[in-house]
Amino acid sequence: AQKVTQAQTEISVVEKEDVTLDCVYETRDTTYYLFWYKQPPSGELVFLIRRNSFDEQNEISGRYSWNFQKSTSSFNFTITASQVVDSAVYFCALSEARNSGNTPLVFGKGTRLSVIA
Amino acid sequence: DSGVTQTPKHLITATGQRVTLRCSPRSGDLSVYWYQQSLDQGLQFLIQYYNGEERAKGNILERFSAQQFPDLHSELNLSSLELGDSALYFCASSSEGDATDTQYFGPGTRLTVL
Repeated sequence: AQKVTQAQTEISVVEKEDVTLDCVYETRDTTYYLFWYKQPPSGELVFLIRRNSFDEQNEISGRYSWNFQKSTSSFNFTITASQVVDSAVYFCALSEARNSGNTPLVFGKGTRLSVIA
Repeated sequence: DSGVTQTPKHLITATGQRVTLRCSPRSGDLSVYWYQQSLDQGLQFLIQYYNGEERAKGNILERFSAQQFPDLHSELNLSSLELGDSALYFCASSSEGDATDTQYFGPGTRLTVL
């Protein structure tokens, strides 16, 4: 069965520091998808990135970067030069490919990031 | 703004009551998912509909039911409410309802059962 582990429950950093949020996943499938979502204090879930299991290229989007390593089953998320607006709960999620298409997301418990000015 | 709408935003009710949560997917999306977020269980998948038909079921209680209508909006019905049903309920939508899709989430409905 699939599982996502975010071992860091809470992280606190000072503004402008870099921070990495860890995500480790378990799956027996060879085809799967990994996601990161952000939940700011307002409560909505905001999609950040999707990565499929065949694409191990790292991705950078502005101050955000993602490191996908199949060898360690990890999909870590780094925020460079953190800002107060980055304060949120960040969720890593996994979905597996099925012929029937039944692939709801399995979420980790989330990491609460607090960026202090 | 994800394009997914949910109403109401907040709902306060009493134990034993029944409520209906409504979700309108993004334009063109055929699949709707319901998730529950509670402090002790985290984010849990409840049920998925694709073009009006149930496609997948998660840890949804028998007191809960859902449906997707011909215009593709969905409703989640919660009955015989208990204190433990207090949670944030999210609806998400995707275009095809399979793993190649990204699920976009609505703003959620916060349910408080007193």
